[in-house]
Amino acid sequence: DGGITQSPKYLFRKEGQNVTLSCEQNLNHDAMYWYRQDPGQGLRLIYYSQIVNDFQKGDIAEGYSVSREKKESFPLTVTSAQKNPTAFYLCASSISRGVNEQYFGPGTRLTVT
Amino acid sequence: SQQGEEDPQALSIQEGENATMNCSYKTSINNLQWYRQNSGRGLVHLILIRSNEREKHSGRLRVTLDTSKKSSSLLITASRAADTASYFCATVDAGGTSYGKLTFGQGTILTVHP
Repeated sequence: DGGITQSPKYLFRKEGQNVTLSCEQNLNHDAMYWYRQDPGQGLRLIYYSQIVNDFQKGDIAEGYSVSREKKESFPLTVTSAQKNPTAFYLCASSISRGVNEQYFGPGTRLTVT
Repeated sequence: SQQGEEDPQALSIQEGENATMNCSYKTSINNLQWYRQNSGRGLVHLILIRSNEREKHSGRLRVTLDTSKKSSSLLITASRAADTASYFCATVDAGGTSYGKLTFGQGTILTVHP
């Protein structure tokens, strides 16, 4: 059963703590993405990776970090430097960065209090 | 900044009616895509239309693209209650340093009443 998995579905953290969101895909896709979605808003790109061991900042990378050590995995760390981390986080992948459609995971809702 | 902007922000119709959503964008594009999101879930790709195409169909979906007006529309025919969701357009820029970047609009919330 191919697809993208994100865990956990809901995550609660205290302010000042770093938290890592998991994203795994078994679609053999080269490119992976992290988006943030706020209520009533579209998606904003945080980071993307075109290939293993390479990643680039998106539009709102401040306060976030990523790694891409394996093709299947693209974890996102929300650091304490992110001023407003409470949001819905979506991971996606595509065959390659570019013109192809993106496949999305189910999302992780992060609440920081 | 938002590239695609959807109109209307919300649409409420009865089952069986057609639903039309519009998307406007600002820059030259390689293609435009439409996605669907059920409440609290991930997005699902619906259809992709390239900049050299004017119309595309997929089942009950019809997408048009007018590059001269920098606009697109998504028509869902014979809507069903299960079509209730948010619909997003997303554009892929043509050329430049942002080549391949997918930029999403704010979405249209569609409610189909049984």
